[in-house]
Amino acid sequence: AQSVTQPDIHITVSEGASLELRCNYSYGATPYLFWYVQSPGQGLQLLLKYFSGDTLVQGIKGFEAEFKRSQSSFNLRKPSVHWSDAAEYFCVSNFGNEKLTFGTGTRLTIIP
Amino acid sequence: DSGVTQTPKHLITATGQRVTLRCSPRSGDLSVYWYQQSLDQGLQFLIQYYNGEERAKGNILERFSAQQFPDLHSELNLSSLELGDSALYFCASSVRGRGEQYFGPGTRLTVT
Repeated sequence: AQSVTQPDIHITVSEGASLELRCNYSYGATPYLFWYVQSPGQGLQLLLKYFSGDTLVQGIKGFEAEFKRSQSSFNLRKPSVHWSDAAEYFCVSNFGNEKLTFGTGTRLTIIP
Repeated sequence: DSGVTQTPKHLITATGQRVTLRCSPRSGDLSVYWYQQSLDQGLQFLIQYYNGEERAKGNILERFSAQQFPDLHSELNLSSLELGDSALYFCASSVRGRGEQYFGPGTRLTVT
């Protein structure tokens, strides 16, 4: 079955430290992949997207993600987190159609 | 600001009642999607409309219905409400199929 897996429910990182959020997908072809962020009480904001081509994609707010076909992964990274990055992060895909399938989300806590 | 608007922001109603949630897509976007976010089910796709026509259905209950009007705004109608329908309902829009979707701020529905 087509699915998106985020193995980490909650991650805590110190301000200024690097961040990597994991995402794996299950699909027979290359899906379109996205990372969205949801701040408390807010809607979902698109951070970045991968459709094809260069496997390292840059997004907003200093985030980047790398698509690795061999590992069926699309991990999100940031070299230095800021307190304002505390939020819920969703790895998302549409598997050959137009509806989005969401991972379960990773809640990011930043400690000073 | 994604350009997608949703009203109302909050809605509190009683079991058995009917409510209507409204969404206006970004200017130029023909597709509108509805999603439900709940603690136990996460974010799930409900239904999609494209230029006034239903395009795809997800995990939408028979008590729920939607439509998209000629001016492209959409309404999600929820009837015979149950406690379990309490959730955050998001609308998203996109200019084309399989592309990125832009989300509104959501409507928080509380059924008492």
